[in-house]
Amino acid sequence: KAGVTQTPRYLIKTRGQQVTLSCSPISGHRSVSWYQQTPGQGLQFLFEYFSETQRNKGNFPGRFSGRQFSNSRSEMNVSTLELGDSALYLCASSLEQGAPGYTFGSGTRLTVV
Amino acid sequence: DQQVKQNSPSLSVQEGRISILNCDYTNSMFDYFLWYKKYPAEGPTFLISISSIKDKNEDGRFTVFLNKSAKHLSLHIVPSQPGDSAVYFCAANEGTGTASKLTFGTGTRLQVTL
Repeated sequence: KAGVTQTPRYLIKTRGQQVTLSCSPISGHRSVSWYQQTPGQGLQFLFEYFSETQRNKGNFPGRFSGRQFSNSRSEMNVSTLELGDSALYLCASSLEQGAPGYTFGSGTRLTVV
Repeated sequence: DQQVKQNSPSLSVQEGRISILNCDYTNSMFDYFLWYKKYPAEGPTFLISISSIKDKNEDGRFTVFLNKSAKHLSLHIVPSQPGDSAVYFCAANEGTGTASKLTFGTGTRLQVTL
């Protein structure tokens, strides 16, 4: 059974650009959540999607957005990139909304220069 | 405001001994707690969890203890093995079954030495 797949693994962008990250959940998982990991801050919740609807949102500015498709795949978009957006972005999936104990992907390492 | 705190950024333990990783939380609405392990260049892996109605949960070498009155939980690994060397994250959930937004601590790097 394939795990959570995130693409790309690494990305370098310039300040002011926008970026789209992709996440394919485990087959059959309908809930997808996104987290940002930075040194010293741990993992911070960005948002959760279930059945193509955003169900939960963390405390991030509106430059961070996401969506989920009918096949449960999810994308995350960051517009007007800032240096502080450099981080590891992790996607996690679970069978149902509100099911703790996610399965995480390996993440996308975004570097903003 | 860090609602989940792991005050020890690192811990070194000899192989075969017990590793104790600690976690404190401030939000009394948290009712489900999880531990994740993370190796470099990989996503976190779910290790063990505990509901607030329990004070202990055991799974093989891993035991999690919860002290609700002190808002403290700990992960015990016995015996510690070199393969346990990783970063361990404590996480908490508010309202199990209604929301899966996890609040994570900043992690403790465990080094198990030979």
